[in-house]
Amino acid sequence: GAVVSQHPSWVICKSGTSVKIECRSLDFQATTMFWYRQFPKQSLMLMATSNEGSKATYEQGVEKDKFLINHASLTLSTLTVTSAHPEDSSFYICAAGPQPGQPQHFGDGTRLSIL
Amino acid sequence: EDKVVQSPLSLVVHEGDTVTLNCSYEVTNFRSLLWYKQEKKAPTFLFMLTSSGIEKKSGRLSSILDKKELSSILNITATQTGDSAIYLCAVEAATSGTYKYIFGTGTRLKVLA
Repeated sequence: GAVVSQHPSWVICKSGTSVKIECRSLDFQATTMFWYRQFPKQSLMLMATSNEGSKATYEQGVEKDKFLINHASLTLSTLTVTSAHPEDSSFYICAAGPQPGQPQHFGDGTRLSIL
Repeated sequence: EDKVVQSPLSLVVHEGDTVTLNCSYEVTNFRSLLWYKQEKKAPTFLFMLTSSGIEKKSGRLSSILDKKELSSILNITATQTGDSAIYLCAVEAATSGTYKYIFGTGTRLKVLA
């Protein structure tokens, strides 16, 4: 149980393109979804937290107009990197939280490369 | 500012050795502490600790939380090459109306045959 599907697993695109990443909880309802960014050989950096039906809460320093998060249902959240540039290249991982006090479950991540 | 610090940053041991990984935290509205193992892709869950002094065990891995010292340790006995990974400590914190996880820097463990 507790499977989170994230896709695409990798994407390469040209600078200026917008990229959408999907995160789905397959066998449970996620009240909260978390989006992380991970640089090579570094830990996970929380970008934003979203609750179903409400606006995402962004961490300090994360541009909300750059990284659009939508949490339309209890099983789906999307992250759109708008007008992506090479500095946006990174590993993006989503996690779904059933509820507070229960461990979050991670998707397999999306490796984004902007040329 | 909330922070989670892990030590050591990296560690190289030989198969059969025992290792202890450390995690300390300064977090407002602490709820729980979690340990994860990350190999090539996303982290996999190991332990969730909420109460001080109660050891959680899974095979060769064990972990304990000390709320007085604001820290936790993860022990791995009789290490194997398959234990090579990044071990992440995360603290769950309540925030206004929701909650979030703050991750530590990670410990990169390499086990040599």
